[in-house]
Parts: sequence; C-alpha cells; structure tokens
Amino acid sequence: GQNIDQPTEMTATEGAIVQINCTYQTSGFNGLFWYQQHAGEAPTFLSYNVLDGLEEKGRFSSFLSRSKGYSYLLLKELQMKDSASYLCAVRDGGSSNTGKLIFGQGTTLQVKP
Amino acid sequence: DGGITQSPKYLFRKEGQNVTLSCEQNLNHDAMYWYRQDPGQGLRLIYYSQIVNDFQKGDIAEGYSVSREKKESFPLTVTSAQKNPTAFYLCASSQADKSYEQYFGPGTRLTVT
Repeated sequence: GQNIDQPTEMTATEGAIVQINCTYQTSGFNGLFWYQQHAGEAPTFLSYNVLDGLEEKGRFSSFLSRSKGYSYLLLKELQMKDSASYLCAVRDGGSSNTGKLIFGQGTTLQVKP
Repeated sequence: DGGITQSPKYLFRKEGQNVTLSCEQNLNHDAMYWYRQDPGQGLRLIYYSQIVNDFQKGDIAEGYSVSREKKESFPLTVTSAQKNPTAFYLCASSQADKSYEQYFGPGTRLTVT
C-alpha cells in the first residue's frame, strides 16, 4: 500500500532550528517534494529530492534516504512567519510519466516568540 | 502574471445540487490536478489530466466529474452523489515531466448544507 507519515504537530522557538521528518512506503518512487501551506491558502513548493543527500535552499534544507524511505525538512533561524503546515509528498513511480503525488497529512508547525 | 486561478474562493450550496468549480491556468502546463483537503488531513487526489481531452480518476473520484476541453481549463463538478462534499478544493498544474513541481491555485472552500 501507499503510506506517508509525518508528525501531526510541532512547536519551536523563534530563531531555533526544527527538523520535520517524513517516512514513506510507496509502490514506486520518482521524487519527494516538500510544500508549505499557511492556513486557508494554497501549498507552495519548497524543495524536491530525487537522489540521496541534502538539498539546501536558504534557511530550508531537505534530506532524502531512499533506502530508508525517509526524508526530513530542516528549517533554520526560525521566524514567526514559518508557522504553517508542511506537507511531504512522494511522486509515485512505475513506467508511467504521470505527475501524481501522494501527500502525507502534513505537520503543523507553531513558532513561538 | 502567470498563475492558476480558482473561483470563487467561498461557495455555498444546498444539498442535492450539483456545483462546478473553475480552474484556469496560463502557465502553458500540460498536466492539471484536482485535490480535496479536509481539516487536519493531507491532500487527496480526485482527478488529473495530462493532456487535453483526457483525464484519469484519482483516489477519491466517486461523486465528482471533470472535463478538459482546453489546455488552460480543468473544471470540477461536485455532484449530488458525493456524500460529504464540504471541503477545501485545490487545483494544481505542472509540466508533464515527472520531475517538475505542481503549482497550486488559491483554492475554493465549498460548504454544502
């Protein structure tokens, strides 16, 4: 079956570092995406990993281990505006070139002063 | 400005009525998607289309219908057969290649009473 797990909620302090984990079990794999979603708004793209390792983009980094079915999103120097839900999504594989994504339930991050 | 538009942002309907949600994109993307999001849950795929005049069912297509007569447009009809239609509906588009991220519209919050 297809399963993507993330913690439901996390709390962190402004200026700190937080790591949001995602584990997945899918029938195929063609990349993992992280999106940020503020309440009532559309998700916005943060990062994409298809090979093992760390991808860094400013204050945000994303890591992937395909053998472990594991990814994390690392947020540094947290700001109040980082309070949002963070969605992990896996692009299923197979021979099809479809762009179908399977989403986790999202992790709601609350940043406190 | 290129992007995806969904209208209206809020929609109210009586039970038993069909309702059509619009989604338009001017990004020249081949693929378009419809998701449903319920409180505290991730996005679930309703329908997707990779090319004009072709579309496939997602994970929760029952009670919904779509059309793709133009590349720019992918309207979703929520029929009276959908048992629990109240939700936040998100439309997305992407390049057809599986390595590209999906861009999301602002969403339509549908309330059926």
